[in-house]
Amino acid sequence: GAVVSQHPSRVICKSGTSVKIECRSLDFQATTMFWYRQFPKKSLMLMATSNEGSKATYEQGVEKDKFLINHASLTLSTLTVTSAHPEDSSFYICSARSLAGARNEQYFGPGTRLTVT
Amino acid sequence: GQNIDQPTEMTATEGAIVQINCTYQTSGFNGLFWYQQHAGEAPTFLSYNVLDGLEEKGRFSSFLSRSKGYSYLLLKELQMKDSASYLCAVMDSNYQLIWGAGTKLIIKP
Repeated sequence: GAVVSQHPSRVICKSGTSVKIECRSLDFQATTMFWYRQFPKKSLMLMATSNEGSKATYEQGVEKDKFLINHASLTLSTLTVTSAHPEDSSFYICSARSLAGARNEQYFGPGTRLTVT
Repeated sequence: GQNIDQPTEMTATEGAIVQINCTYQTSGFNGLFWYQQHAGEAPTFLSYNVLDGLEEKGRFSSFLSRSKGYSYLLLKELQMKDSASYLCAVMDSNYQLIWGAGTKLIIKP
């Protein structure tokens, strides 16, 4: 089956620093990758959609200069949280849509728990 | 606007059956998904319905009525490991997933 990995799985950083999260499709090519965040006991919130080789499309209310997304290849997308603050502490999940698969197939990474102190 | 509604929390007994309902209003419809999410983990895929009717997969079944904007997830022979949140998500006309808030299912012995 299609596998998506995320790295790191957990990260603790100090306020003001930047953190990069990687999302990789391991056995398929992903034309589109999605970045979500999830607060405790809340639903997933779509942050942005990225297509390989083009700029990400951010959802309303998500600061593109704070959450930098790069989708440089068909197997890798990165999310960089710049100048992190405690309120950015959350569970970040990526998902990927296969180049070859149906448009309704989306595979989730295991998530990254970010804690900003 | 787009909206997905599902109960916040449900409690059931080990070995019993539970039905989790989901109603939706979205701009377009390209299928409805059910995901299971254990605390601190990413969602895992359970089922996908795009046509009306019941899809059965082992202990889990999912039903869809497009005319009513309604789905349910049926879990049979409940096990303690089924304690999790169950997320209903609808894929809209742009192939974007619209997520419900999730239903926390508590299984008691």
